[in-house]
Amino acid sequence: GQQVMQIPQYQHVQEGEDFTTYCNSSTTLSNIQWYKQRPGGHPVFLIQLVKSGEVKKQKRLTFQFGEAKKNSSLHITATQTTDVGTYFCAGNPGGGADGLTFGKGTHLIIQP
Amino acid sequence: DAGVIQSPRHEVTEMGQEVTLRCKPISGHNSLFWYRQTMMRGLELLIYFNNNVPIDDSGMPEDRFSAKMPNASFSTLKIQPSEPRDSAVYFCASSRQGSNYGYTFGSGTRLTVV
Repeated sequence: GQQVMQIPQYQHVQEGEDFTTYCNSSTTLSNIQWYKQRPGGHPVFLIQLVKSGEVKKQKRLTFQFGEAKKNSSLHITATQTTDVGTYFCAGNPGGGADGLTFGKGTHLIIQP
Repeated sequence: DAGVIQSPRHEVTEMGQEVTLRCKPISGHNSLFWYRQTMMRGLELLIYFNNNVPIDDSGMPEDRFSAKMPNASFSTLKIQPSEPRDSAVYFCASSRQGSNYGYTFGSGTRLTVV
């Protein structure tokens, strides 16, 4: 079955430093989605990438989808304490209404 | 919009008891998903429905788990009998098929089986 892998599992950064998490799929994806889960909360949708090589930005967050549509990354510039949480990528190989397969997530811990 | 509503928020039960988790999706969303989250295994897809019809239940761990969606505004996940290894946070999520807005998750049900 499809696997979605994320690294690193944990990332400690000083406030103001940059942060990147990487996502790799064992199969080509029709699209990839990113979610954020705050401690004690539920996953919240951030963005969807569909096109090969696509890059999207949301303020300090930059999302990329690889040319082969098998990998993706999320980069946060100048982290703030509000960025604390777990960032998940999720793949949907069939597109449409197939259930998403989530990576294990990257836990971002920020030291003030 | 109140979002995806799950109940109860917390459930503590004894091994062997039946547990029923409930979910009300967002009105207009035609896909509904049940996920289980644990530290060891992360977010696992258990089952999903399109237009109230179960499409893929291959993630349901065993026959002790069952899910129903009798109408577009309600779904249940039942565990009978429950076991300590079922302890986890169970999330329900809904989406509009073909939407670019992703899944909307409920707040989850934290299940503890003792």
